[in-house]
Amino acid sequence: DAGVTQSPTHLIKTRGQHVTLRCSPISGHKSVSWYQQVLGQGPQFIFQYYEKEERGRGNFPDRFSARQFPNYSSELNVNALLLGDSALYLCASSLAPGGQVGELFFGEGSRLTVL
Amino acid sequence: GNSVTQMEGPVTLSEEAFLTINCTYTATGYPSLFWYVQYPGEGLQLLLKATKADDKGSNKGFEATYRKETTSFHLEKGSVQVSDSAVYFCALSDRGSGQNFVFGPGTRLSVLP
Repeated sequence: DAGVTQSPTHLIKTRGQHVTLRCSPISGHKSVSWYQQVLGQGPQFIFQYYEKEERGRGNFPDRFSARQFPNYSSELNVNALLLGDSALYLCASSLAPGGQVGELFFGEGSRLTVL
Repeated sequence: GNSVTQMEGPVTLSEEAFLTINCTYTATGYPSLFWYVQYPGEGLQLLLKATKADDKGSNKGFEATYRKETTSFHLEKGSVQVSDSAVYFCALSDRGSGQNFVFGPGTRLSVLP
């Protein structure tokens, strides 16, 4: 069975540009969450979507937005990129929101470098 | 708000040594507790979990016990292997607060042959 898949795996952007990251959850999972992992730190919660509705938002600026599609895949968009946005962006899926089933399944991440 | 604190790394051990990685948490509700592991170049994988006080999670020789009285969830393994070299993250999920997972900063473990 396919796990959580993310694309692209690596990308380089310059300051001020926009980026779109994509995620496909495990088949049957309806909840998708996004996390930002800065080098040397733990993942920080950005968004959670369940059944195409936003269920949670972390402490990130409005430059960050996301959506979930009818097939439960998701996009994370970041506008007006800053150097500090350089990080590994992780997508995680689960059966239900809020970790009710007790486990998040993570993809391998999209590594964004902003120059 | 909720938070997780882990012991500072990196931790370097010889093969077959005993491992302890300390984790303490602060939560407003009744969280579930997790240890995730991240091998080089990979995403996070669930190592073990505990959903209520006094539960013990275990997997691959690793163990952790949910201690509500000390708000701790320390990770232990009796005999580490070189293949255990990775970054270990303690995390909590608290449905009561509506938050998603909160992760600690991670502890890098290096096991030498």
